[in-house]
Amino acid sequence: NAGVTQTPKFRVLKTGQSMTLLCAQDMNHEYMYWYRQDPGMGLRLIHYSVGEGTTAKGEVPDGYNVSRLKKQNFLLGLESAAPSQTSVYFCASSRGRGMEKLFFGSGTQLSVL
Amino acid sequence: EDKVVQSPLSLVVHEGDTVTLNCSYEVTNFRSLLWYKQEKKAPTFLFMLTSSGIEKKSGRLSSILDKKELFSILNITATQTGDSAIYLCAVYGTDSWGKLQFGAGTQVVVTP
Repeated sequence: NAGVTQTPKFRVLKTGQSMTLLCAQDMNHEYMYWYRQDPGMGLRLIHYSVGEGTTAKGEVPDGYNVSRLKKQNFLLGLESAAPSQTSVYFCASSRGRGMEKLFFGSGTQLSVL
Repeated sequence: EDKVVQSPLSLVVHEGDTVTLNCSYEVTNFRSLLWYKQEKKAPTFLFMLTSSGIEKKSGRLSSILDKKELFSILNITATQTGDSAIYLCAVYGTDSWGKLQFGAGTQVVVTP
């Protein structure tokens, strides 16, 4: 049982390049999330999805786009990477909302030079 | 705006010591508070608290919630080097509509 799987685990980009982070979950969860984690700032929500075909903005959405074409996958895109997007990115999923624990992927370390 | 504040930001203890971590929150229509442990990578779930005054316990870890004073405590007794991690507190409020608001975390280092 894989749980939540993120790819890639590490990536280095130059300013202005684009990339997509892939998140896949095998728990049939409705809700999926993308967080970024920066030192001293905890986890901040970028975008989230409450079901296949839906997406919504979180706390820090600027510079990112997402898509949820299939229930098990949630993609995070950076169209034109900036050094401020250097961070560790975590995908998570949950069965429902409000009273449900989140299951996290192992993270993607992204550096933008 | 929902707010979760953890203290201290970091601490160093010796093996065998007891650690107390604090989490205070301001959130509209509180529903639940969660604790996570983050070692190298993915945060792993520890506890979910919804009712005031009821202690949740798992081995040497325990946690309690005070909904009147808007805080929670996570205790770790007889600490081991394997307890070294970042401990994250997060809160659900009904206005946050299924989104967890995380605190900045407390970095715990347990030395042999």
